[in-house]
Amino acid sequence: DIQMTQSPASLSASLEEIVTITCQASQDIGNWLAWYQQKPGKSPQLLIHSATSLADGIPSRFSGSRSGTQYSLKISRLQVEDTGIYYCLQRYSNPWTFGGGTKLELK
Amino acid sequence: AVQLVESGGGLVQPKESLKISCAASGFTFSNAAMYWVRQAPGKGLEWVARIRTKPNNYATYYADSVKGRFTISRDDSKSMVYLQMDNLKTEDTAMYYCTAEGAYWGQGTLVTVSS
Repeated sequence: DIQMTQSPASLSASLEEIVTITCQASQDIGNWLAWYQQKPGKSPQLLIHSATSLADGIPSRFSGSRSGTQYSLKISRLQVEDTGIYYCLQRYSNPWTFGGGTKLELK
Repeated sequence: AVQLVESGGGLVQPKESLKISCAASGFTFSNAAMYWVRQAPGKGLEWVARIRTKPNNYATYYADSVKGRFTISRDDSKSMVYLQMDNLKTEDTAMYYCTAEGAYWGQGTLVTVSS
């Protein structure tokens, strides 16, 4: 199975700050990487698909990038509504595997 | 608008069975691979099962943790996907989400396995 190592596990940042979350894949997954945001008591919401493509309706302050087998989610100017838990997901092969999650809070 | 609505969750005892359902609307269901993903209380997300489309022979795939106990199925005529869960274990306790291609998610249905 492909392992997705996500970091950091938790993060506290200030409003308007730039935030970066990373996922390291244990093998090549191409661009089969998605990012999700999950708020308490809610289902995950797709933010980024195909490693770098913004999902419909997602603000442009969210962006995804790839360098080899390392993937990053960047929030350019943190807003109050961006708090929650973020997960990466590889869809390259079965079983799909998620990163362990990053809890993002406001400082 | 795309909508996925799960139902059928509840409290069952270990070794019992339960079938949960997901009703889809707002997209061409027959063209979408469907998945079940679960989340144990306070934990992260875990992929459970996948079913492909008719051109792909409705091929199914399972996480090792549920293989041989869970069965995913679909009814394209009703835009429904199901998860039959047999021989349930306490560690199967979780919120179960259905998702279409990972893009659209339902609100989840809670399955609790406890004696």
